[in-house]
Parts: sequence; C-alpha cells; structure tokens
Amino acid sequence: DVKVTQSSRYLVKRTGEKVFLECVQDMDHENMFWYRQDPGLGLRLIYFSYDVKMKEKGDIPEGYSVSREKKERFSLILESASTNQTSMYLCASSPPVGVWGYTFGSGTRLTVV
Amino acid sequence: GENVEQHPSTLSVQEGDSAVIKCTYSDSASNYFPWYKQELGKGPQLIIDIRSNVGEKKDQRIAVTLNKTAKHFSLHITETQPEDSAVYFCAASIESGGYQKVTFGIGTKLQVIP
Repeated sequence: DVKVTQSSRYLVKRTGEKVFLECVQDMDHENMFWYRQDPGLGLRLIYFSYDVKMKEKGDIPEGYSVSREKKERFSLILESASTNQTSMYLCASSPPVGVWGYTFGSGTRLTVV
Repeated sequence: GENVEQHPSTLSVQEGDSAVIKCTYSDSASNYFPWYKQELGKGPQLIIDIRSNVGEKKDQRIAVTLNKTAKHFSLHITETQPEDSAVYFCAASIESGGYQKVTFGIGTKLQVIP
C-alpha cells in the first residue's frame, strides 16, 4: 500500500524556534506538496515541488521554506515559529504527468506557544 | 485564479438516508474533480474523482456528477452508515504550465446519526 509518512503527529514548539516538519513518500512520486489546514479555511497550499531540489511557492508561503534533497523526502521549515502558525500541516504527493488525486499523510498538528 | 465553493459546511443525516454535497468552480478550464474524505485524526483520502469528459461516475454507494455548463459538481452518498461520518472536501484541478494546480473547497462535516 502506498504511503506518505509524516514524522510527527503532534508537535509543540516555542515562539521563535526553527521547526522542521518531515515528509517521506514511498511511491516514487515526483510531485510533493505542503498544505496547512485551518477550520473554516480548508486546505491552503504553502509550497510544492515537482522535482528534486526544485520548489515553488504556493498561496501562503510567507514564514515558511522547504527543502527537497531527495525525491522521496520533502521538508517544511518554519524559520522562526509564531503563534499564527499553529495549525494542522498536511503533506501530499502525486504522480508526475497529467492531473491526479493526491495521497496525503496523516498530518502534523503543530502548536506554537 | 480558481475559486471553489462548497455547501453545506455541516450536514446531519439519519443512518440509511442519502447525503448530497455540492461544489461550484469558477475556471472553465478545470478538468479534474476529486473528492476526499478526512476521518478524525487522519489525512484526507481520495474516495472518488471525475474528469471533465464524464458527466457521472459511481462507485458502490458513492456517486459524483459534473455539470460543466453550470460549473458545478456534487457528491452523492446513498444508504449512509455511521462510518461515513467525516469531513469531505471537493477540489477542482487544472493543468497549467506543466503543473497541476488544485483548489480545494472548505469542507463539509457530515454526521450520520445511528
């Protein structure tokens, strides 16, 4: 069964900390995405990547960066965590060609205090 | 850009009844419409999808319809069961510049009452 694995289910960090959220997929997918999910706002795209070492900004990239050193791993980085980044973070991947559904990870619920 | 509106935001039905969730989209170039189910504590899971060259698709108790002229699509769940309780997201997808651009609705929380 194909999988997208997010390293942490729950995370509590202090304001100003540098935070790393890790995502690994085992489907050999080229495309990987980071979303945040907030009540009443649905899923909002933060960053995405269509190839190793490639990244593109999504709709809400401010305060975030990403890293994709290997095809299977896509990391989301909060350079200096703030309380308004408290959210559920979802990683997803998809095949490279055409339009397809995503496979999502289980999510990381991040609380910044 | 694309805008996807989803209604209702919450829906309660009795077990065995049908549930319908509706979405509208704004960009006529959108050509792929997936639906995701998110159970508590889990990530969204693709449950059914439809492409723009198809008007209806069915998979057991779940069906999706697409009206390209009106730019709306709907999810129909028949004979609902308690395990159908979840948040459902619609999405509209377009291939742009070699990339797939996906816009999600805000979600519908479905509660099936036993």
